[in-house]
Amino acid sequence: QVQLQESGPGLVKPAETLSLTCTVSGVSISTYYWSWIRQPPGKGLEWIGYVYYSGSTNYNPSLKSRVSMSVDTSKNQFSLHLTSVTTADTAVYYCARERTLDYFDYWGQGTQVTVSS
Amino acid sequence: QSALTQPASVSGSPGQSITISCTGTSSDVGSHDLVSWYQQHPGKPPKLMIYEVAKRPSGVSDRFSGSKSGNTASLTISGLQPEDEADYYCCSYALSNILIFGGGTKVTVL
Repeated sequence: QVQLQESGPGLVKPAETLSLTCTVSGVSISTYYWSWIRQPPGKGLEWIGYVYYSGSTNYNPSLKSRVSMSVDTSKNQFSLHLTSVTTADTAVYYCARERTLDYFDYWGQGTQVTVSS
Repeated sequence: QSALTQPASVSGSPGQSITISCTGTSSDVGSHDLVSWYQQHPGKPPKLMIYEVAKRPSGVSDRFSGSKSGNTASLTISGLQPEDEADYYCCSYALSNILIFGGGTKVTVL
């Protein structure tokens, strides 16, 4: 049974860096691609990007200048870092398993991140 | 890259069939058969319902079906049931090597 669980601060100050971790269980992270998707309050979904266990990444051009993702295979985890956040980055952040540029078959429960001073 | 266009809401009575459209361009929906659909109940994560236009994951009811014509993909729910009331999102590969979502459609069971 593949399971994903997001963790990280629920409150981030403007101009600071948002950092989240996704812990994967039931499958080795050293297979497949792993993604982050976010959903602002009352709005739709936005693909942030994916990371492969090798460290290869692909980011949404709209966020590319502020995003980085990494993998820790020893912990079966992957992470998201989003710099210089503003209130527009307030959202529920989901991690998911991505079938490369195709579809997302397993999702975490999501974690609310609020950007506020 | 703009979001794919979906109707804001669709409604139907129990037992009826409804169809949700997802319109893009030749650079995304029309470029490959890489369209997926997700169901999201309030406070829950999205759930994969259809992938690669018309394929159904194991465990998803056969009342859900997908299709595509040109730059428009569609999700049809047959025999509408109260538990189908949710938000639905389409998602497509785009030639700029990204994935883009539709704005979402709220399905109401009358």
